[in-house]
Parts: sequence; structure tokens; C-alpha cells
Amino acid sequence: KAGVTQTPRYLIKTRGQQVTLSCSPISGHRSVSWYQQTPGQGLQFLFEYFSETQRNKGNFPGRFSGRQFSNSRSEMNVSTLELGDSALYLCASSVQESSYNEQFFGPGTRLTVL
Amino acid sequence: AQSVTQPDIHITVSEGASLELRCNYSYGATPYLFWYVQSPGQGLQLLLKYFSGDTLVQGIKGFEAEFKRSQSSFNLRKPSVHWSDAAEYFCAVVGDAGKSTFGDGTTLTVKP
Repeated sequence: KAGVTQTPRYLIKTRGQQVTLSCSPISGHRSVSWYQQTPGQGLQFLFEYFSETQRNKGNFPGRFSGRQFSNSRSEMNVSTLELGDSALYLCASSVQESSYNEQFFGPGTRLTVL
Repeated sequence: AQSVTQPDIHITVSEGASLELRCNYSYGATPYLFWYVQSPGQGLQLLLKYFSGDTLVQGIKGFEAEFKRSQSSFNLRKPSVHWSDAAEYFCAVVGDAGKSTFGDGTTLTVKP
């Protein structure tokens, strides 16, 4: 069974631009969560989607948004990029709502904002 | 609010030596606890989890962890470390409204 895939793996943008990251969960998994990982802040929860509905949201500004499609694939969007948005963005999927289930992580998308 | 503390930012052990990585959590009810490992350039991989029952849980790669409610701890152990165990280790708690909170991680270096 294929693992969680994230595209692109690397991305370079400039301040003010917007970016869309994609995540394809493991087949049969209905929950997708997004995390931001930085050296200074560690791993921080962004949001979780289950069956196309946002179930949980972390403490991030409205510039960060996401959605999930009927095939469980998910995208996250960051608008008006800031230098501080440079990070590794990780996507994780699980069979049911991720709350209490094992999450399977993708390799991440490395975003650099110049 | 829930929180996770991993007191050791960096630990170095010799290959073959035993390992213990500390994790302390703060949460009012019984938490769901996880340990993940992240190798460079990779995502996180689940090592083990605790939901309820036996407080000593076994995981993959020879790791185990013990839940101690009285100490709010969930320390990860391995009796004999291999060079391939060098990585970053994260403790996580799932509590309020199903949100996951991760510790800041502990980087493990293994000396030959």
C-alpha cells in the first residue's frame, strides 16, 4: 500500500505570494491533518479534515487554510506569505478521525520564503 | 490546555548502551500518548502508543515506553541502541477535542 504523498517536496516563494500544498493520504484513510515544523516552534498542529469537514484547527492566522476533497486528498493554502512561514509542512493521514488513531506522515513539503 | 515537555534537547549514547528519553505531559484526564521518530528528510513514524491498560507498551524497533500517571510521564526506552537509531524523537499527547500536541523533540546521536 502506498504511503502518504506530498507534492511538491520543495518550494521556493517570495514574500506576498501564495502557495498551495497537496497531500494524498493512504488509500482508505479518511482523515488528513497538517502540521508546520520549524526549528524554533517545533511541530505545530494546523488543522484536521475528516470526510471533507474541518474537525480541528490550530492557532494559526486566517492566511492558512485548507480543504479536503471527496477522494480524501487534501490541500492547504497559505496566502500573503511571510518570511516566518518558511518551514517543513507535514501531512498525516489516519483511517478514522486522527484524534486517537495512529497517524501516518508524509515526507513533507519544504517551503522557503525569500 | 495540554502540553508536552521533552527535557532533553540532545542526547548522545554509545552504540550498544541503553537509552531513555524523557517525556512529561500535562493533561487533566487520561491522555492518549504517542512516541514518533523522524529521520533526516523524512516524515514521522509511529514507534508506539498508549491508550489504556498495561502501562508498559512495546513498540517497533525494540522500543518500549512506560506510562506513569503519578509522574505524568511517558518515557521511551531501549535496552541496546543501534547506530540506525540516530534520529529525532517526538512525544505527543492527544487530548482536548482530539488535538495533537507534540514535544519539541530530542535528537539522539549514537557514538560508534
